[in-house]
Amino acid sequence: KQEVTQIPAALSVPEGENLVLNCSFTDSAIYNLQWFRQDPGKGLTSLLLIQSSQREQTSGRLNASLDKSSGRSTLYIAASQPGDSATYLCAVKDGANNLFFGTGTRLTVIP
Amino acid sequence: ETGVTQSPTHLIKTRGQQVTLRCSSQSGHNTVSWYQQALGQGPQFIFQYYREEENGRGNFPPRFSGLQFPNYSSELNVNALELDDSALYLCASSGAGTGGTYEQYFGPGTRLTVT
Repeated sequence: KQEVTQIPAALSVPEGENLVLNCSFTDSAIYNLQWFRQDPGKGLTSLLLIQSSQREQTSGRLNASLDKSSGRSTLYIAASQPGDSATYLCAVKDGANNLFFGTGTRLTVIP
Repeated sequence: ETGVTQSPTHLIKTRGQQVTLRCSSQSGHNTVSWYQQALGQGPQFIFQYYREEENGRGNFPPRFSGLQFPNYSSELNVNALELDDSALYLCASSGAGTGGTYEQYFGPGTRLTVT
């Protein structure tokens, strides 16, 4: 069964700092990996999707990488802002259309 | 183009009761997936519907059931509610049920509290 782990569970950084969030998964047979943002009590906002054949995706200040063989992905956030404060979730999709989520990293950016 | 919508926003039910949650897919999407997110946890996959048929199911008991309608909107039904069913229920739509390459777009969720 696929297991997704996110480290750290919580992170607090000063505004302007660059940061990296980590995601690992146990079964490398995935179709894609998605990074989401979730504000407290709200739904999920998709940030980046990386297909299994891709190595990275970029959107603005966000860059996500995927190393399928080692079961790892990172989300890099450049020049963090207080508005980036949220929980970040990664999820991997398998061939049976299941989307497996990690428990998230709760990010706080201090002004 | 409208996004994924869910109703109701919040719901309080008593143990043993039944509940129906609703989801409207994003325009042009024919696949709907449902997830349960307990407090402090990541979402857990319940099941997926593609063209009105169940197309995959997670580790949830049969008292969790669903429907998808011809307009691709969907319902999640939970019978015999238990206290542990208290969670945020998320619906996501995507462009196709087969193949894993399509991005899922999530609704705002329904917060269910079982007392």
